[in-house]
Amino acid sequence: EDQVTQSPEALRLQEGESSSLNCSYTVSGLRGLFWYRQDPGKGPEFLFTLYSAGEEKEKERLKATLTKKESFLHITAPKPEDSATYLCAVQANSWGKLQFGAGTQVVVTP
Amino acid sequence: DGGITQSPKYLFRKEGQNVTLSCEQNLNHDAMYWYRQDPGQGLRLIYYSQIVNDFQKGDIAEGYSVSREKKESFPLTVTSAQKNPTAFYLCASSTPSGGTRTDTQYFGPGTRLTVL
Repeated sequence: EDQVTQSPEALRLQEGESSSLNCSYTVSGLRGLFWYRQDPGKGPEFLFTLYSAGEEKEKERLKATLTKKESFLHITAPKPEDSATYLCAVQANSWGKLQFGAGTQVVVTP
Repeated sequence: DGGITQSPKYLFRKEGQNVTLSCEQNLNHDAMYWYRQDPGQGLRLIYYSQIVNDFQKGDIAEGYSVSREKKESFPLTVTSAQKNPTAFYLCASSTPSGGTRTDTQYFGPGTRLTVL
């Protein structure tokens, strides 16, 4: 059975204090790994798709990387507006079903 | 302005009532999905539809029903058979990119359902 585990569950950072979120996965035949950002009471906002080990993608202060067993979301010099829950999901089969992790709640304080 | 809309934003249901959540998209996407989100848990798939007039059960379909009569619309009915319906419901859509690539799902703003 496909499994996705995110750690830590919660992360509190000072503004400018860089850190990384982890997404470990067990899936047969990874087709893609997704990162989303979710603000309280809102729907997830798409950030990145990673397809193969070694791939990296960046957007502003966020950088996502992928290995054969896990993905990292690095937040460089975070600002308070980066506070959100970050969700990781994997797609293993052909029609689009996503398996989500429980998310990491990030709070960035000034 | 393309996107996914869900209505209502908040919904209150008395026990024993059926309620219907609306999901509309103008992205011309073929596939649509319904997820349920509970605190501390990942999103769980309720139903999905890859094409008009066809849909399949996801992981937690019991107590829910859907229809897909139009490409743009995928309403979800929460029936009285759903024992614990209080949750945040999210609709998503995607379109196949072809080849070996995967298709990105885009989400609506969600509907929060509370059972009184």
